[in-house]
Amino acid sequence: ILNVEQSPQSLHVQEGDSTNFTCSFPSSNFYALHWYRWETAKSPEALFVMTLNGDEKKKGRISATLNTKEGYSYLYIKGSQPEDSATYLCARSGYSTLTFGKGTMLLVSP
Amino acid sequence: DAGVTQSPTHLIKTRGQQVTLRCSPKSGHDTVSWYQQALGQGPQFIFQYYEEEERQRGNFPDRFSGHQFPNYSSELNVNALLLGDSALYLCASSSPGLAGEETQYFGPGTRLLVL
Repeated sequence: ILNVEQSPQSLHVQEGDSTNFTCSFPSSNFYALHWYRWETAKSPEALFVMTLNGDEKKKGRISATLNTKEGYSYLYIKGSQPEDSATYLCARSGYSTLTFGKGTMLLVSP
Repeated sequence: DAGVTQSPTHLIKTRGQQVTLRCSPKSGHDTVSWYQQALGQGPQFIFQYYEEEERQRGNFPDRFSGHQFPNYSSELNVNALLLGDSALYLCASSSPGLAGEETQYFGPGTRLLVL
């Protein structure tokens, strides 16, 4: 993998569904993996910074895992709510810069 | 704390013109990075400023230049605008931390349309 890739590109779920997204990234020269949530017309909001293989982080109903050896991270949302509707971006750190994927657009219907 | 602020929010220019975008970092942050998000793409790194110097640069032509002031605020300048420069320009600020681990806090962006 040369670039940061995210899948799926978009997702439409019903309120209460649990869902997950994937972020794949080059595993060489790895510093950290960042997840952001970006609601329309707002600033991207930092969710997690993950550095160690096997890292698992949680914030409310959202959690993320990291596998640096194979170069992927999963973001999970448990019991999706309409307010979770947003684009979820992952970014791989270089020394001090971020390389982003194209994001996963989540729509949660009531 | 006002967070990262950017101005203007929207801008319309014509090809060949020059534009300046402005960014004020989050209080306590001394590093400012600029990103370009074209339609359908993720944000792409333009450059980063620290201590009023350009510390790192992405794959952007010299038409893109910047500046950081003593109060850590920053400007992004784009000369000889092309239609392809139409995009959302994001500014992010951060404070020193372990390399790659520092969280970058983003502003809401400036949407530039080049006609």
